[in-house]
Amino acid sequence: EDQVTQSPEALRLQEGESSSLNCSYTVSGLRGLFWYRQDPGKGPEFLFTLYSAGEEKEKERLKATLTKKESFLHITAPKPEDSATYLCAVLGAQKLVFGQGTRLTINP
Amino acid sequence: GAGVSQTPSNKVTEKGKYVELRCDPISGHTALYWYRQSLGQGPEFLIYFQGTGAADDSGLPNDRFFAVRPEGSVSTLKIQRTERGDSAVYLCASSIALHTEAFFGQGTRLTVV
Repeated sequence: EDQVTQSPEALRLQEGESSSLNCSYTVSGLRGLFWYRQDPGKGPEFLFTLYSAGEEKEKERLKATLTKKESFLHITAPKPEDSATYLCAVLGAQKLVFGQGTRLTINP
Repeated sequence: GAGVSQTPSNKVTEKGKYVELRCDPISGHTALYWYRQSLGQGPEFLIYFQGTGAADDSGLPNDRFFAVRPEGSVSTLKIQRTERGDSAVYLCASSIALHTEAFFGQGTRLTVV
């Protein structure tokens, strides 16, 4: 069964303090790894798709990387508006399986 | 519309009642997905459609849950004999093709009292 584990569950940073979120996965035949951002009371917002180990994608202060066992979402010099829950999901043979998310808080 | 639209945004129902949740996908998107999300958890897969047919309904928790997409666009998730444990946010997403990046609606918060 495909599984996704995200760590830490919650992370509190000061504005400008860079860090990384981890997504570890086991999947039969990875067809894609997806990162989403979710604000309270909203649906997940698509950020990135990664397809193969070694691939990297960037968007503003976020960079996603992928290995054969895990993905990292690096956040550089975050701002308070980056506060949200970040969800990782893997697509194997059939369906998209999500992790439980990392709740990120950036203090001004 | 520009995004995935879900109605209602909130639904409170009594235990044992029947509810329908509606999803309007992005125009032109052939794949449609339903997920359920409990507080503090990631979305949990329920069912997905490619066109009009349910390609995978293995996530539906039991036979009280059913979903349709009769014309390959709008979908309705139907829950019979609701239970308090059904309370959650029900999320719908669509993608231009099966298993490409999916775009989510804002969800329907279902509360069973």
